[in-house]
Amino acid sequence: GAVVSQHPSWVICKSGTSVKIECRSLDFQATTMFWYRQFPKQSLMLMATSNEGSKATYEQGVEKDKFLINHASLTLSTLTVTSAHPEDSSFYICSASGASGIPSYEQYFGPGTRLTVT
Amino acid sequence: GNSVTQMEGPVTLSEEAFLTINCTYTATGYPSLFWYVQYPGEGLQLLLKATKADDKGSNKGFEATYRKETTSFHLEKGSVQVSDSAVYFCAPGGNFNKFYFGSGTKLNVKP
Repeated sequence: GAVVSQHPSWVICKSGTSVKIECRSLDFQATTMFWYRQFPKQSLMLMATSNEGSKATYEQGVEKDKFLINHASLTLSTLTVTSAHPEDSSFYICSASGASGIPSYEQYFGPGTRLTVT
Repeated sequence: GNSVTQMEGPVTLSEEAFLTINCTYTATGYPSLFWYVQYPGEGLQLLLKATKADDKGSNKGFEATYRKETTSFHLEKGSVQVSDSAVYFCAPGGNFNKFYFGSGTKLNVKP
């Protein structure tokens, strides 16, 4: 149980275009979803926290107008990278928490999405 | 906010060697402490956790003890296998269940 999927697993887009990444909790309802960015030397940075039905909370230094997050339902959150540039190329990972019967501090991670901006 | 310092990797060991990955943290209060593992090409998985001081978390032969006095949560395994090759992340739980992961430590185990 507690599976989180991401789609697509990898995407290539042209500079200036926007790309949307989906994060789904497949077998539980996630009250909270988190988005992370993983840099080349593996360090993982928390970008934002989203709760279903409310605006995402962004970490300091993360541009909320560039990284749009929508948590439309208890099983789906999306991250849209707007006007992407090559420096946005990275590995984006989501996680979800709030599964029934599971402590709220436990997060279940998706497999990640590799974004390459050309 | 909470933060963590992990030993820099990569750590390269031979199979059956003893493993220690150091982790120290700064946090407000006494948070739960976690180790996550990321196998090649996969997402992060919870490896073990400890929710209060002196607790020992254990899983798959890995152990870590919550040391409040030294603010540490070092990961150990007595005999590593090739299949343990992965990136290991230490993290204190934070407010609103946020995790502020460190840089992670890459472990390479050679046969």
